[in-house]
Amino acid sequence: DAGITQSPRHKVTETGTPVTLRCHQTENHRYMYWYRQDPGHGLRLIHYSYGVKDTDKGEVSDGYSVSRSKTEDFLLTLESATSSQTSVYFCAISESWENGYTFGSGTRLTVV
Amino acid sequence: GESVGLHLPTLSVQEGDNSIINCAYSNSASDYFIWYKQESGKGPQFIIDIRSNMDKRQGQRVTVLLNKTVKHLSLQIAATQPGDSAVYFCAENISSGTASKLTFGTGTRLQVTL
Repeated sequence: DAGITQSPRHKVTETGTPVTLRCHQTENHRYMYWYRQDPGHGLRLIHYSYGVKDTDKGEVSDGYSVSRSKTEDFLLTLESATSSQTSVYFCAISESWENGYTFGSGTRLTVV
Repeated sequence: GESVGLHLPTLSVQEGDNSIINCAYSNSASDYFIWYKQESGKGPQFIIDIRSNMDKRQGQRVTVLLNKTVKHLSLQIAATQPGDSAVYFCAENISSGTASKLTFGTGTRLQVTL
């Protein structure tokens, strides 16, 4: 999707290892979000950011941390990956609450 | 591509017919609603939105209807095409303090038959 990129696109990691996913935007949007998508659950919010160094938890934040040191980058870290964190992760950006989100293409993470 | 839902409700529609996808939302305080389309292996894509002070909004071939009394949202697609085959999600906006946050439904798979 134009203006938002996620990396890596695919990753396989072992249980107990740390993992960081990156979301990069070129739109200068204030709000950034991390969602996970699992069969039967739709998209669930993990963490979000409303500005540089300003972040807050979503509904499924346990086991995840985030950082936003500059406007364009929002990092999602799994400190010690577990099999339950196997999922597809989507980053989204938004200019304001009155606008819909623009989503990235997703990162498929497999924890073995 | 990634599987977005192995057991999603599925709507099968013949090409050229109209499609209606329904969604029940949870929070009576929600003030903004969006429909997204997700194709296999891709992120959700914005289709159309509606604010809570409206009952209906039309786009190109799509119409969203909002019934706040029963907390129901629907997406109508006119003259459905094979390219409309995808999973469709409704989302409701719940504003709280620092930011608005979209809460998504579990999705409906639309299959267009020829």
